[in-house]
Amino acid sequence: KAGVTQTPRYLIKTRGQQVTLSCSPISGHRSVSWYQQTPGQGLQFLFEYFSETQRNKGNFPGRFSGRQFSNSRSEMNVSTLELGDSALYLCASSLVPMGSLGRTGDTQYFGPGTRLTVL
Amino acid sequence: AQKVTQAQTEISVVEKEDVTLDCVYETRDTTYYLFWYKQPPSGELVFLIRRNSFDEQNEISGRYSWNFQKSTSSFNFTITASQVVDSAVYFCALSEAGTGNQFYFGTGTSLTVIP
Repeated sequence: KAGVTQTPRYLIKTRGQQVTLSCSPISGHRSVSWYQQTPGQGLQFLFEYFSETQRNKGNFPGRFSGRQFSNSRSEMNVSTLELGDSALYLCASSLVPMGSLGRTGDTQYFGPGTRLTVL
Repeated sequence: AQKVTQAQTEISVVEKEDVTLDCVYETRDTTYYLFWYKQPPSGELVFLIRRNSFDEQNEISGRYSWNFQKSTSSFNFTITASQVVDSAVYFCALSEAGTGNQFYFGTGTSLTVIP
């Protein structure tokens, strides 16, 4: 069974540009969540999609958006890039929504991440 | 306020030593879930364990063991007879059933096992 895949793995952009990152969950998984990891802020939750609907959103500006397609693949978009957006963006998938994790015994499976550098 | 505190930023041990990684959490929910993840140098997070708030039984899995104590709001992780492959950043996380919204990660503990 293939794991969570993220494309591209590395990306270099300049300030003001926009970027789209892609995440393909494990087959059958309907929940996809996104995280940002930086040395300064650590791991932070961005948002979660389940069955094409955004369920939860972390404390990030509106420049960060996402969507999920009918095949559960998800994209994350960041517009008007800032230097501080340089980070490792991780995606995770699970069978159930995040709010049901633990109760069901299910867990998240993470992808390798996309390393975004903003110059 | 930090929901999850991992006070140890970096730890170095010599191979075969035991090491305990501390995790203290804060929540008002009576139902919550605690997790430990490992992030090796490759960067991909790996799930290690999940524990719900109603199950305080300690767990052992090979060289790994977890000590969950609600009285001190702690969920500590011990690696016995550490190996070089254990070198990684370890994250503790909290999921509150009340919000059901998101994970709160700790800042991580970087473990280096010296051969």
